[in-house]
Amino acid sequence: DGGITQSPKYLFRKEGQNVTLSCEQNLNHDAMYWYRQDPGQGLRLIYYSQIVNDFQKGDIAEGYSVSREKKESFPLTVTSAQKNPTAFYLCASSIGSSNEQFFGPGTRLTVL
Amino acid sequence: AQTVTQSQPEMSVQEAETVTLSCTYDTSESNYYLFWYKQPPSRQMILVIRQEAYKQQNATENRFSVNFQKAAKSFSLKISDSQLGDTAMYFCAFGSWGAGSYQLTFGKGTKLSVIP
Repeated sequence: DGGITQSPKYLFRKEGQNVTLSCEQNLNHDAMYWYRQDPGQGLRLIYYSQIVNDFQKGDIAEGYSVSREKKESFPLTVTSAQKNPTAFYLCASSIGSSNEQFFGPGTRLTVL
Repeated sequence: AQTVTQSQPEMSVQEAETVTLSCTYDTSESNYYLFWYKQPPSRQMILVIRQEAYKQQNATENRFSVNFQKAAKSFSLKISDSQLGDTAMYFCAFGSWGAGSYQLTFGKGTKLSVIP
């Protein structure tokens, strides 16, 4: 089945540690996105990538980093510079010519 | 920059009744898309319905329909014959191309509860 997978589903991190969230898609989509969801805030764009080896900052990129070495993969690293990393993180993808974004199941990150 | 406003943080509806969720947006663009996404307790985001701004006809998908008022920048979602499985957060989203990329801007969501 085609789709987007995110792992792990739950992630715990100690303060001061970097952590990487995985996002993989087998939909052959060109574009991939990372969103952060907080209660009462909706979804906010962290980073996006329209093509391999290229990515752009979204609205709240500070304290995060990404890579896009393969079309299928778009991992997100939450660095120790992110002041309040506890949140639900959603990865999405879309075909360049289509405006619909397909979402993964999400990762819940908790900083202890 | 685009903004999307959902003025109803929470709503409830009796099973089998009809409910309408409101959404307004602000943009200077003429070519864009509008979406309603559903997020049930599982937190999986699911596309409910979408509307192309250049189409005057309102989109419908089974029990879900929209009332798109382009001049008023309004995009409401009507759910008919509400079912318990409709209980979820509903997000309105605005999509457009800008600076060589396509992006969505989301509202803060409306929590809908369907009461048996």
